Amino acid sequence: AQSVAQPEDQVNVAEGNPLTVKCTYSVSGNPYLFWYVQYPNRGLQFLLKYITGDNLVKGSYGFEAEFNKSQTSFHLKKPSALVSDSALYFCAVRALNSGNTPLVFGKGTRLSVIA
Amino acid sequence: DGGITQSPKYLFRKEGQNVTLSCEQNLNHDAMYWYRQDPGQGLRLIYYSQIVNDFQKGDIAEGYSVSREKKESFPLTVTSAQKNPTAFYLCASTPLTGPGDYAATFGSGTRLTVV
Repeated sequence: AQSVAQPEDQVNVAEGNPLTVKCTYSVSGNPYLFWYVQYPNRGLQFLLKYITGDNLVKGSYGFEAEFNKSQTSFHLKKPSALVSDSALYFCAVRALNSGNTPLVFGKGTRLSVIA
Repeated sequence: DGGITQSPKYLFRKEGQNVTLSCEQNLNHDAMYWYRQDPGQGLRLIYYSQIVNDFQKGDIAEGYSVSREKKESFPLTVTSAQKNPTAFYLCASTPLTGPGDYAATFGSGTRLTVV
């Protein structure tokens, strides 16, 4: 079975500081990993994904994520946080070559960037 | 622009009523999904469909029903058997071809409230 853990319900960071939102996963075999962002009363917006290759993945709005196979982690990062980054962030996983079976999501981490 | 349209944005249900949430996509995606979002619980899969006239139960299918008569449409009915239907409902879609590395595209959601 696939699963995702986001160990922090809430992350607070000052504007201009670097931010990290943590994600660990469990899957049989190799994973496809995704990060999404959700603003209030909206759907999820895709930020970035890891498929294969370089462990550092760059995505939208200056976000990046680092895949670490030995630690089964896929932490989301940004060098300098903006107040507008405040939102709910979801990590998701799907096993490699599983076709289009549904993504399995973590419970989400609320990011609050303080001016 | 291609995308997923969910309607209505807000829906109110009386006790004992069935209500149907609409989800339409013009992305030519084969697979469609319904997720339920509750605070602190992330996204939980209700039903999904990979081809027309076929669908599978997700983790929390009890009290819900779906149909997939057209590729573009995947309506969700919340029946009176669902005892706690107040939640935010999200529809998503993906192409079916490929190894599974496609990110899901989400609609903007329907907020259902029992009154």
